[in-house]
Amino acid sequence: GENVEQHPSTLSVQEGDSAVIKCTYSDSASNYFPWYKQELGKGPQLIIDIRSNVGEKKDQRIAVTLNKTAKHFSLHITETQPEDSAVYFCAASTGFSGGYNKLIFGAGTRLAVHP
Amino acid sequence: GAVVSQHPSRVICKSGTSVKIECRSLDFQATTMFWYRQFPKQSLMLMATSNEGSKATYEQGVEKDKFLINHASLTLSTLTVTSAHPEDSSFYICSAPQEGRAYEQYFGPGTRLTVT
Repeated sequence: GENVEQHPSTLSVQEGDSAVIKCTYSDSASNYFPWYKQELGKGPQLIIDIRSNVGEKKDQRIAVTLNKTAKHFSLHITETQPEDSAVYFCAASTGFSGGYNKLIFGAGTRLAVHP
Repeated sequence: GAVVSQHPSRVICKSGTSVKIECRSLDFQATTMFWYRQFPKQSLMLMATSNEGSKATYEQGVEKDKFLINHASLTLSTLTVTSAHPEDSSFYICSAPQEGRAYEQYFGPGTRLTVT
């Protein structure tokens, strides 16, 4: 089955710096790769996603890149702000259930942005 | 749009009792919902797929008789933890894809279950 590895587990940056989180996946059939932000005691919030027919996607300060050959994808946050501090999860699709994609999640990265 | 709610947000129960958690899609219909469990400082683990009008599909290693799922309407799925034990204490989160959109999942705020 699919396995998703995420690095680093913790990341500390200064406000204004960039942050990069990387994930690798094992199933070449995976075709959807979302990124979620989770604040303490809350559910995950979808921040950006990418499908396998696209190599890069941007949304303001957030970008995601996908290398299908190497089976890895990355989240890039530029001009980080203290409110970006949270746990970030990558995920990969791993087959269908009920007609919809199931997701398998990485272990998470705890990002701390210091003023 | 695409708001998912859960109730209750927190629940404390005694060992041996059962607890029901509700997951609602507020502004869209969801024939499928997913239930996840998350232990402290760990990732989300898919437990089961809730299907409106049919039986839930459980992931390997998840006890179907312990985690009862009912998807009675297009906007509501419930997860009942039966005969709860302290090791069932966890953060339970549901998600729902919008009808007809196979990819994006929107998560609820989660329910913190503590079994004493």
